[in-house]
Amino acid sequence: DTGVSQDPRHKITKRGQNVTFRCDPISEHNRLYWYRQTLGQGPEFLTYFQNEAQLEKSRLLSDRFSAERPKGSFSTLEIQRTEQGDSAMYLCASSLARRPSTDTQYFGPGTRLTVL
Amino acid sequence: RKEVEQDPGPFNVPEGATVAFNCTYSNSASQSFFWYRQDCRKEPKLLMSVYSSGNEDGRFTAQLNRASQYISLLIRDSKLSDSATYLCVVNINNNDMRFGAGTRLTVKP
Repeated sequence: DTGVSQDPRHKITKRGQNVTFRCDPISEHNRLYWYRQTLGQGPEFLTYFQNEAQLEKSRLLSDRFSAERPKGSFSTLEIQRTEQGDSAMYLCASSLARRPSTDTQYFGPGTRLTVL
Repeated sequence: RKEVEQDPGPFNVPEGATVAFNCTYSNSASQSFFWYRQDCRKEPKLLMSVYSSGNEDGRFTAQLNRASQYISLLIRDSKLSDSATYLCVVNINNNDMRFGAGTRLTVKP
């Protein structure tokens, strides 16, 4: 058990609806990452936070995607106006970045999104 | 060229076999390197970090060749429980982890 939790584990929605996923990192970890993974591919980096600051968001897939980490603890990832191509596993990871070269990320179980 | 390339496999090997996976990366400024393991429909889990001097953890040996931008993972005495997808991961600049698509391994009795 890595300690990172994600909710919900599965989400089925209709095209055009908004969805929000939550991630609770390992409690002492200051970094939190969001990834998307499609079948047969490795995780694709989307964005990350150090404490409450979002330090990288240029890799978010479109302006329909947004993420927050308001108090530096849990984070949410929102997808607006979902499309069928958004169907994927959304993974959250956290790390305690003492030294950049040893930033080991621990993943949560993921939220599987299906857009009908 | 993909940033991190792996042979997708699948590798089908008998128990007890030795198997090696290779990975190449394109960004010469990459800072750190890892192998993750991912079981079917599960999250990736860190298997081991990869150091320039090479490192070993039990039956697993990882090596890095910065000049050739090449990473390898060797598994000796394969077990049925080693069956999984092995992801090569490259940390580009302290916040950007790039994953390969993974190499699938099946160990058969």
